Parts: sequence; C-alpha cells; structure tokens
Amino acid sequence: NAGVTQTPKFQVLKTGQSMTLQCAQDMNHEYMSWYRQDPGMGLRLIHYSVGAGITDQGEVPNGYNVSRSTTEDFPLRLLSAAPSQTSVYFCASSRTELYEQYFGPGTRLTVT
Amino acid sequence: GENVEQHPSTLSVQEGDSAVIKCTYSDSASNYFPWYKQELGKRPQLIIDIRSNVGEKKDQRIAVTLNKTAKHFSLHITETQPEDSAVYFCAAPGTGRRALTFGSGTRLQVQP
Repeated sequence: NAGVTQTPKFQVLKTGQSMTLQCAQDMNHEYMSWYRQDPGMGLRLIHYSVGAGITDQGEVPNGYNVSRSTTEDFPLRLLSAAPSQTSVYFCASSRTELYEQYFGPGTRLTVT
Repeated sequence: GENVEQHPSTLSVQEGDSAVIKCTYSDSASNYFPWYKQELGKRPQLIIDIRSNVGEKKDQRIAVTLNKTAKHFSLHITETQPEDSAVYFCAAPGTGRRALTFGSGTRLQVQP
C-alpha cells in the first residue's frame, strides 16, 4: 500500500494564480481531510469529507475548494492564490475522525 | 466547535528524564484524544490515543492520562531519548463538526 500520497511536494505560485493540490489514498478510508500547518499554529483544518460526494468546511476554508467524486481522491483547489496561503499542506485519511489519521508527506506552497 | 489548549509550547529535558505535555479541551462531549508526533520535515504520526471510557493508557515509555471532569489530558514520556525530540500535538473532536481540533504543538528537545 502506498498509503496517502500528495502531489506536488513543492510549489511556487504568483499572487492570483490558481492550482490544485492532489491527494489520494489506497486504504479505502471514508474520511479525508486537508490541513495547513504554519509555524506556531499547529494543524488547522481547511475542509473535510466523510465519504464520496460529501464535503464540509473546517476552521479555515476561505480561498479553498474541495470535491470528493471518488473514495480515493480528495483534491484541494486554491482559487486565487494569496501570500497568506503560503504554508505546508497536509492531506489525511482515516476510517472516521475518531480513528488514526494517516497523513500524506505534505506540499510546501509558497505564494509570492 | 472544540477549543484545545496545549502547554508548554517548548520543553527541554535531559536524556533519561521524564517529559509531560498537557492539553485542555472545551467540549464535554469529546470522547477521543490522540497524540501525534512530528519529526522535523516529516508528516505527523499517531503515537498513542485514549477514549473516554478509560483514564490511562500506556505503551512502553509513553502514557496518556485523561481527566474528563477537569477536561484535560496529558502525554507522559519516561526515560526520554534523543530520538524523542520532535513536535507533539494533542487533538480532540467536537460537536457540530466531524473533525479533530489540534493543539498548537509542543517542541520537545532531549539533550544528550
């Protein structure tokens, strides 16, 4: 099993550009989530999904969109990148939110 | 939503000493309390978790205690080793949102 995979590992964007961070898991987990990690701020939830076709907002959803068309994939879209979105982004999957979260390797995003 | 406070933000101990990290939560309905370890440049990984029907759980040198009345839980690491140096995060679920809220993290440094 590959577990949770994320692409790309690194990305530099200019302000106003859009892009999609990819996340996939091969553990047949129903629950998937996206976090951003900033220094001293811990892990903040952006969006989550409890199953295919179902998504909901987390703590910091503004500027991001998600969709969940399959159990395996949970892409995160940045609509119009801003310097405040410079961060490390982690995708995670699990059976539910009340079980071990398996994190992907992360994407380091810089917006200039 | 849930509010999780974690202390201290940094902790330095000598090799062989014990380390204790504490978290408080606000939602009395919370029933699952995990701890994650994140080594520098790596993804967070679960090290131990506890559910609300028990007061303590141990796994070799690490243990977690839960006080539901006071709404706090703690991570205890005994006989610390340099490889325990990392950032540790606590988390708790909350009502209204099917997601974990993470604490802001504790950077543990074990001095050889």
